[in-house]
Amino acid sequence: GENVEQHPSTLSVQEGDSAVIKCTYSDSASNYFPWYKQELGKRPQLIIDIRSNVGEKKDQRIAVTLNKTAKHFSLHITETQPEDSAVYFCAAHSGGSNYKLTFGKGTLLTVNP
Amino acid sequence: DVKVTQSSRYLVKRTGEKVFLECVQDMDHENMFWYRQDPGLGLRLIYFSYDVKMKEKGDIPEGYSVSREKKERFSLILESASTNQTSMYLCASRNRGGTEAFFGQGTRLTVV
Repeated sequence: GENVEQHPSTLSVQEGDSAVIKCTYSDSASNYFPWYKQELGKRPQLIIDIRSNVGEKKDQRIAVTLNKTAKHFSLHITETQPEDSAVYFCAAHSGGSNYKLTFGKGTLLTVNP
Repeated sequence: DVKVTQSSRYLVKRTGEKVFLECVQDMDHENMFWYRQDPGLGLRLIYFSYDVKMKEKGDIPEGYSVSREKKERFSLILESASTNQTSMYLCASRNRGGTEAFFGQGTRLTVV
C-alpha cells in the first residue's frame, strides 16, 4: 500500500520567515495530494491540494509543489504569522477503487512572534 | 455548512468493555473513515466504508470493527477495550470521486 513520509516533524520559524514541509510517497499511482492544518484542539481542515497533472498550485501565502518523477511534494508558507502555528499533515490518494487517504505523521509548526 | 459529528468528545471506559463510537455526516457522502491520532504517529486509518454495509480494513484494524447500516452513520466498535486503545479517534467523510475529506471534532477515549 501507499506510504507517506513527512519531514520535519517539528519546525520553528520567526514571524515573517518562510516555512517548508516536505513529503514523499511510494505509490506511483497516487494522483491527489492534499494538505491539512490542525490547530490545537481542533479538527484537521484542508488548506490546499494538488492533483498529479499539475506541478504547482498557489493560494495567497501558501503553495504546494509536486514532483511526480521523484514522488515528492512540498508545502510552502511565506510571510508566516503566529496563527499559522499548527500541525500540518500531508496525504496521498491513489485513484481508482482505492478510497484511502494515507497521511504523513505530521509537522508541528511554531511561528514565534 | 458541512458537518461531521461524533457522538462524544471525551469518553472513559474500563478495560474489557465494549465501546461504541458514533459518527454522523449530513453531506450524503459515500465514503466514511475512522482514523486514530497518536502523538508522533499522525493519522492512521483503522477502517473505511465506501457504501452502506460495505467496509474495508485500513492499516490498523486489529481490535476494532465497524458498522454502516445507514449512509449517514458509521460506527467504530472496540470489542474489548484495552489500555493501548487510549487515543484520539477521528471520523471523516468524503464524496466518491471527490477531494476534500471532512473531519469530525474527535473523540478522546481513555481506557483505564
